[in-house]
Amino acid sequence: DTEVTQTPKHLVMGMTNKKSLKCEQHMGHRAMYWYKQKAKKPPELMFVYSYEKLSINESVPSRFSPECPNSSLLNLHLHALQPEDSALYLCASSQDGTGGFYNSPLHFGNGTRLTVT
Amino acid sequence: GESVGLHLPTLSVQEGDNSIINCAYSNSASDYFIWYKQESGKGPQFIIDIRSNMDKRQGQRVTVLLNKTVKHLSLQIAATQPGDSAVYFCAEIFFFFFAGGTSYGKLTFGQGTILTVHP
Repeated sequence: DTEVTQTPKHLVMGMTNKKSLKCEQHMGHRAMYWYKQKAKKPPELMFVYSYEKLSINESVPSRFSPECPNSSLLNLHLHALQPEDSALYLCASSQDGTGGFYNSPLHFGNGTRLTVT
Repeated sequence: GESVGLHLPTLSVQEGDNSIINCAYSNSASDYFIWYKQESGKGPQFIIDIRSNMDKRQGQRVTVLLNKTVKHLSLQIAATQPGDSAVYFCAEIFFFFFAGGTSYGKLTFGQGTILTVHP
């Protein structure tokens, strides 16, 4: 079982809906990530939070809004999505810093399978 | 939907054979490399890593080789088992350092290879 927990496992939403994806880790990691994975493609980085601050936004459309309420939780708020946003959304965490990263590379959750209708 | 004609590389082996999965990475300044295994319905799972100052690293049944001259990474799996069937991704990490001492590693995945092990 993964130490990064994502809920829900599956989500179907219409283009006018507002929903949120949730991610939780209790490994004491201080960096958390959102990745998007389309079928038969590698995961692509969306956002990075380091010490609860947004460090990196990989030019993600504003209909995706990340939030890091505390060091254990990461949310991704969804609004006015398009069918092409349907994908597997993966959360990951790592211990921040180079030494910590070498000793504890990214740990991934099992993702939320999102379908936009 | 999926791009027409886009296929991941595939490797089919018999149980007990050795497998070699190859990967070309893009950034000569990448500091660190990881191999991940992704089974259907799951997130990527860490297999083995190697730092840029190393050429080879061995784990249990797996070996990673790094050739920085040609920016090539390979994963060797000994005595492949049906449970090894999955998509394998290489990943390169480039470290960013921020003022104040914080840092993070930007992890970029390669395209992936589908490994199928036949009993």
